[in-house]
Amino acid sequence: ETGVTQTPRHLVMGMTNKKSLKCEQHLGHNAMYWYKQSAKKPLELMFVYSLEERVENNSVPSRFSPECPNSSHLFLHLHTLQPEDSALYLCASSQEVAGGLLTGELFFGEGSRLTVL
Amino acid sequence: KQEVTQIPAALSVPEGENLVLNCSFTDSAIYNLQWFRQDPGKGLTSLLLIQSSQREQTSGRLNASLDKSSGRSTLYIAASQPGDSATYLCAVTNFGNEKLTFGTGTRLTIIP
Repeated sequence: ETGVTQTPRHLVMGMTNKKSLKCEQHLGHNAMYWYKQSAKKPLELMFVYSLEERVENNSVPSRFSPECPNSSHLFLHLHTLQPEDSALYLCASSQEVAGGLLTGELFFGEGSRLTVL
Repeated sequence: KQEVTQIPAALSVPEGENLVLNCSFTDSAIYNLQWFRQDPGKGLTSLLLIQSSQREQTSGRLNASLDKSSGRSTLYIAASQPGDSATYLCAVTNFGNEKLTFGTGTRLTIIP
């Protein structure tokens, strides 16, 4: 496996379900990101982990819960979502200088298409 | 607050033509600008990264330019091919706000 891998690629869930999205990067990067892409809207940054610490939580509802157990893996736990949460969720990674700005080139996964019924 | 605009939202051109995609941003205090390509239902592929100190970057048939003072970047595609059909997004990273701000993209269709 190379690059950034996301599973599942498609997910349909009810509003009361609990599910998780998984992201794994094989690039040796030290920062990982979750983005949300909705139709006709710019990508929205949700969470950033740099050196396994959360450095950004962009006012995301608590029904989205990230987890970064190590520098290669990132999860997004989903609970009691709303239909408006249906979107493409994209994971990305980058290589950053420790303690520096997050300015590295981003590499994205293929995304997880989420549909909330 | 940084805003990134890409006009037009959609563009169709015949195969073989050269074309230019536009990106403008409101806050010129950027650290870098990145161009991405996105195929339908897929993730983003990084095409070119331009640092604020650079004027342009080239990769194959692609050339991206940056004019920080005017808040503009262009992506030039030479000798377009049907495989170039995709949505092209630009994104900027600002000093003091270390996250990419994305435009909504230009959907490019190359007509065989």
